[in-house]
Amino acid sequence: EVQLVESGGGLVQPGGSQRLSCAASGFIFSDNWMSWVRQAPGKGLEWVANIKQDGSEKYYVDSVKGRFTISRDNAKKSLYLQMSSLRAEDTAVYYCARHYGSGQYYFDNWGQGTLVTVSS
Amino acid sequence: QVVLTQSPSASASPGASVKLTCTLSSGHSSYAIAWHQQQPEKGPRYLMKLNSDGSHSKADGIPDRFSGSSSGAERYLTISSLQSEDEADYYCQTWGIGFVVFGGGTRLTVL
Repeated sequence: EVQLVESGGGLVQPGGSQRLSCAASGFIFSDNWMSWVRQAPGKGLEWVANIKQDGSEKYYVDSVKGRFTISRDNAKKSLYLQMSSLRAEDTAVYYCARHYGSGQYYFDNWGQGTLVTVSS
Repeated sequence: QVVLTQSPSASASPGASVKLTCTLSSGHSSYAIAWHQQQPEKGPRYLMKLNSDGSHSKADGIPDRFSGSSSGAERYLTISSLQSEDEADYYCQTWGIGFVVFGGGTRLTVL
């Protein structure tokens, strides 16, 4: 069974940094593109970033470019999101998601999410 | 850039059927999409991939009550024999090289 478990959320001050982690199990982690998706309180889903199997390609939504960095450690079966210069509008539940197959396709598995609150 | 448009809300009675719509922006009618369900206070769950020709592949464990269809730039999710647990937000998603796009979601209320 595929499992994605996020951690690292919490309360952070504006301008601060936070690192999220996603532990994967139940599949060969290095076979799939992976993404981070967020959901602000009461709002819809917003894709944040994704990363290729070997980490050689990374893409970001414009609103986080230059502030967030996605990375992965295939040996540890883990996905990361380093967030810096955080703003109130980054407050959201952050989900880890697996892309289907070997390409940048749809998401076929999701984690349960971790909440990041940016507030003073 | 492709845009997906969904109605904000829908409602139907238990046992009835409902058809949710996701509309692709002009020039993008050939795109495939995926449907995801998000029940209250839970993470999203993948339901199915839906192609432009209406063919679709469902995730394991998704009941036959859930089906997909397509017409031009419209992608549909039909839920029949509605049950209380179908009350949820439903999102469509599409993708390409370097991007992923979600529709705004439809909140389905089972009255």
